[in-house]
Amino acid sequence: DADVTQTPRNRITKTGKRIMLECSQTKGHDRMYWYRQDPGLGLRLIYYSFDVKDINKGEISDGYSVSRQAQAKFSLSLESAIPNQTALYFCATSVVGLAGGSGNEQFFGPGTRLTVL
Amino acid sequence: KNEVEQSPQNLTAQEGEFITINCSYSVGISALHWLQQHPGGGIVSLFMLSSGKKKHGRLIATINIQEKHSSLHITASHPRDSAVYICAVIGNQFYFGTGTSLTVIP
Repeated sequence: DADVTQTPRNRITKTGKRIMLECSQTKGHDRMYWYRQDPGLGLRLIYYSFDVKDINKGEISDGYSVSRQAQAKFSLSLESAIPNQTALYFCATSVVGLAGGSGNEQFFGPGTRLTVL
Repeated sequence: KNEVEQSPQNLTAQEGEFITINCSYSVGISALHWLQQHPGGGIVSLFMLSSGKKKHGRLIATINIQEKHSSLHITASHPRDSAVYICAVIGNQFYFGTGTSLTVIP
């Protein structure tokens, strides 16, 4: 079984709808991340969490919110979806480690392809 | 302004060729990460390195901290190596390159 899972894998929705993307991990990692990927652009960080009580905004958090329900679960919500949020969304995890150490290696989920019409 | 630049953006090679993908960065980092993204979209970690060189099978990654440069080499390339290769650096946050799309032709 995959260590980092995302649901749904594909979603088509309409403008204005509220959407939740879910991420679960069995790696036991404290750190979890949400990224979006757009054609021609690198991965961009939306939100990250270093533990259940720690939530931080990333580079492009506007229009998104997150919830860290447990160490293993990190959900991303689009409160009112708009077409420019059409993208591939990735969840990732990493261990808590010393800066520069291998603990910063990230493990990615399979991605969720979201289309907002 | 891109903190991480990869070259080339696209690369086509014949099976068996030696391939090099380059990554240059402009920020201070504690480590550099090479990732592989398959045509279906999934991303897997290839290497994490902060100095020197690492080898895994036909893949070799090197980093020169002073020059702020890393290379990913693939020896004896194979069509199954066709993917997008992404360089990411870890400074005060993660910075990702836009990727190098590699196609290996049989």
